[in-house]
Amino acid sequence: DAGVTQSPTHLIKTRGQQVTLRCSPKSGHDTVSWYQQALGQGPQFIFQYYEEEERQRGNFPDRFSGHQFPNYSSELNVNALLLGDSALYLCASSSTPSLYEQYFGPGTRLTVT
Amino acid sequence: TQLLEQSPQFLSIQEGENLTVYCNSSSVFSSLQWYRQEPGEGPVLLVTVVTGGEVKKLKRLTFQFGDARKDSSLHITAAQPGDTGLYLCAGATMGAAGNKLTFGGGTRVLVKP
Repeated sequence: DAGVTQSPTHLIKTRGQQVTLRCSPKSGHDTVSWYQQALGQGPQFIFQYYEEEERQRGNFPDRFSGHQFPNYSSELNVNALLLGDSALYLCASSSTPSLYEQYFGPGTRLTVT
Repeated sequence: TQLLEQSPQFLSIQEGENLTVYCNSSSVFSSLQWYRQEPGEGPVLLVTVVTGGEVKKLKRLTFQFGDARKDSSLHITAAQPGDTGLYLCAGATMGAAGNKLTFGGGTRVLVKP
């Protein structure tokens, strides 16, 4: 049984560019949450998707957007990249939006130069 | 803004010693989770505590949720090198539209053989 998978593993982009990160949830899970983890810090909640809709959002600008597909996989899009967007982006899935038990993927390391 | 503060930020101990990590907030959470994260990987859920005053044991790890559901602690007995990692606490809040998880800054634990 595959756990949460994310792609790509690493990514290097230039300021002002746009990026799309992808996540496939654990089998049987229908809720996906995205987090940003800066070096040396704890993860920060970006948003949660359930039933193909954004259900809850953290303190992130509109440059951060997402999507959930009918097969429950999800994408995170970031526009107009800033140097400060460099971080590990984590996807987590759960079987309900309650977040009672989440499984995290290995993350995508984004570097903005 | 809900904040979770973890202390200490860094802990270095010898194999066989005990350690305690604290997680404090001024906010009430519906549940509190503890994770361990190793370099290059996503956080792995260790336990979820829900009821104020609740104590859960997982082998040599003991987790406690404060009576007021604002703070928690993680105690490791007879630490082993395999316990080395970044320990993260996270509080869950339920909203009408969805739920979100607020992470602490993490405690980096190093257990030396």
